[in-house]
Amino acid sequence: DQQVKQNSPSLSVQEGRISILNCDYTNSMFDYFLWYKKYPAEGPTFLISISSIKDKNEDGRFTVFLNKSAKHLSLHIVPSQPGDSAVYFCAAKWEGAQKLVFGQGTRLTINP
Amino acid sequence: DTGVSQNPRHKITKRGQNVTFRCDPISEHNRLYWYRQTLGQGPEFLTYFQNEAQLEKSRLLSDRFSAERPKGSFSTLEIQRTEQGDSAMYLCASSRDTDTQYFGPGTRLTVL
Repeated sequence: DQQVKQNSPSLSVQEGRISILNCDYTNSMFDYFLWYKKYPAEGPTFLISISSIKDKNEDGRFTVFLNKSAKHLSLHIVPSQPGDSAVYFCAAKWEGAQKLVFGQGTRLTINP
Repeated sequence: DTGVSQNPRHKITKRGQNVTFRCDPISEHNRLYWYRQTLGQGPEFLTYFQNEAQLEKSRLLSDRFSAERPKGSFSTLEIQRTEQGDSAMYLCASSRDTDTQYFGPGTRLTVL
């Protein structure tokens, strides 16, 4: 049972444009969401997070949007840079739990 | 803050052998987590420690797997009688009373 889904295995974006990565979840008990970036042969690097009491959180070029009614979150990267090319994972946890539940990841490629 | 470190980075072993991995969390992080990641998937939770106490274990953690965190600092993950299906990236993460987990570079296990 895949509780966190990233339906796009890959995404290609032109440098300087906006990258939008999507994530859907099924468990309404999730109350905290995170995005991680992963380069080959490295561990996931934390990017940005959002609590379920918010619908938007911004940090520099990265913005995460949460739509609780649709059980959907998205990560916007503006402007996209070549160094953003990586695999992006969304993750979720529910209140009181410690484990993160991850999606399958989306490979983002930024083209010059 | 030197980040989460894991050793070894790579391990190749023959089926039936025992292997042990080590994780050193970020100093003063009281929570430590182990995850496993296979190709094309997101990390999957294995187990969680708060200080030296192992508080949660996934059903993925069969009786061949054991994890310890003897003094609430570093942790070890041992796999006995390895099987080819154990081949994966084993990730360690740590946190300090927050929802954000910081990951190490991982140990890639190959079972021949």
